[in-house]
Amino acid sequence: DIQMTQSPSTLSASVGDRVTITCRASQSISSWMAWYQQKPGQAPKLLIYKTSSLESGVPSRFSGSGSGTEFTLTISSLQPDDFATYYCQNHESQSWTFGQGTKVEIK
Amino acid sequence: QITLKESGPALVKPTQTLTLTCTFSGFSLSTAGMGVAWIRQPPGKALEWLALIYWNDNKRYSPSLKSRFTITKDTSKNQVVLTMTNMDPVDTATYYCAHGDYGSGTFDYWGQGTLVTVSS
Repeated sequence: DIQMTQSPSTLSASVGDRVTITCRASQSISSWMAWYQQKPGQAPKLLIYKTSSLESGVPSRFSGSGSGTEFTLTISSLQPDDFATYYCQNHESQSWTFGQGTKVEIK
Repeated sequence: QITLKESGPALVKPTQTLTLTCTFSGFSLSTAGMGVAWIRQPPGKALEWLALIYWNDNKRYSPSLKSRFTITKDTSKNQVVLTMTNMDPVDTATYYCAHGDYGSGTFDYWGQGTLVTVSS
């Protein structure tokens, strides 16, 4: 299995901050990186796929970048609705793996 | 509009077999390219992909759990069933089913999830 390692595990930030979350794959996954947002008690929500493609309806303050083994999710200006846990996911092969999650907390 | 909903027992005993059903609407598993996956999340922990079945009955399983899982579909009922044998307390988790297109590898619609506790 391809292992996905996210950092940091927890991030404290304020409304309006620029936030960056990193995900590293144990081997190259080309551009096959997706990002999900999960709020307490809810199912995950797909935000970004193929590294930088925004899912329909996702605000443009979310963006993704990277290739190979290192990827980032950036929130350009953190909004109150963005406090949640974020997961990366390798969607390169027919065996998909998630990162351990990054919780974005209110500072 | 695509919706999915999981159903099954909330409590199972160790060594028992768990059967979960995903009932969906808004798409058909007889349509080329459609797929339904199962993903679980232990309390306070990360997501773990378990299995996926495609419209053509092609199946994929997590390598680490493959021997314990069976995924099947009933196209006429718009249902996907996951069977997991030899349940253990570490299998306690919220189990989600989700829609995925062939070739995308991502999961764009999710059910609400169902919490399964494994305890004697």
